[in-house]
Amino acid sequence: EDQVTQSPEALRLQEGESSSLNCSYTVSGLRGLFWYRQDPGKGPEFLFTLYSAGEEKEKERLKATLTKKESFLHITAPKPEDSATYLCAVQADNQGGKLIFGQGTELSVKP
Amino acid sequence: DSGVTQTPKHLITATGQRVTLRCSPRSGDLSVYWYQQSLDQGLQFLIQYYNGEERAKGNILERFSAQQFPDLHSELNLSSLELGDSALYFCASSVTGFPSTDTQYFGPGTRLTVL
Repeated sequence: EDQVTQSPEALRLQEGESSSLNCSYTVSGLRGLFWYRQDPGKGPEFLFTLYSAGEEKEKERLKATLTKKESFLHITAPKPEDSATYLCAVQADNQGGKLIFGQGTELSVKP
Repeated sequence: DSGVTQTPKHLITATGQRVTLRCSPRSGDLSVYWYQQSLDQGLQFLIQYYNGEERAKGNILERFSAQQFPDLHSELNLSSLELGDSALYFCASSVTGFPSTDTQYFGPGTRLTVL
């Protein structure tokens, strides 16, 4: 069964303290892995798409990487405005456009 | 602002009732997706429409149905509502959806509360 597991469930950082979020996945055929950011009560906001192992993408303080079994979202020198829930999702073969989401990592960055 | 609009923002209703949620995709997008987000289940895919036709189906209950109209807006109908249907319902849209791996852009959601 296709599955996405994110860890940790929650992460508290001090401003400027870099860290990584993990997304482990099991899918029959990976077509793409997506990272989204979600603020409370809002819709998920797209961050990155990764397609193949070894791929990396960066945006401001965020960098996403992909291996054959997991993806990491690295946050460098985070600021309080980076506080949000970060969601990982995969798209698998033969399932149309369906995204399978993990439970998310709730990030809190204190000044 | 993703460009995807959803109405209403909030909906409060009673068990056994029926409601309709509406979604307008981004300009130019042909695929619409519906997701349900509850505290215990996370974001769960319900259904996808592409240019008016059903393209993919998730664990959508038989009490729920959806359609996409010729102007590409979509409606999600929820009937015989139960307390457990209380959740955030999100619509997303993408340019095509399959077989390409388009980015899905999410709307602001409709919060449904069933009393």
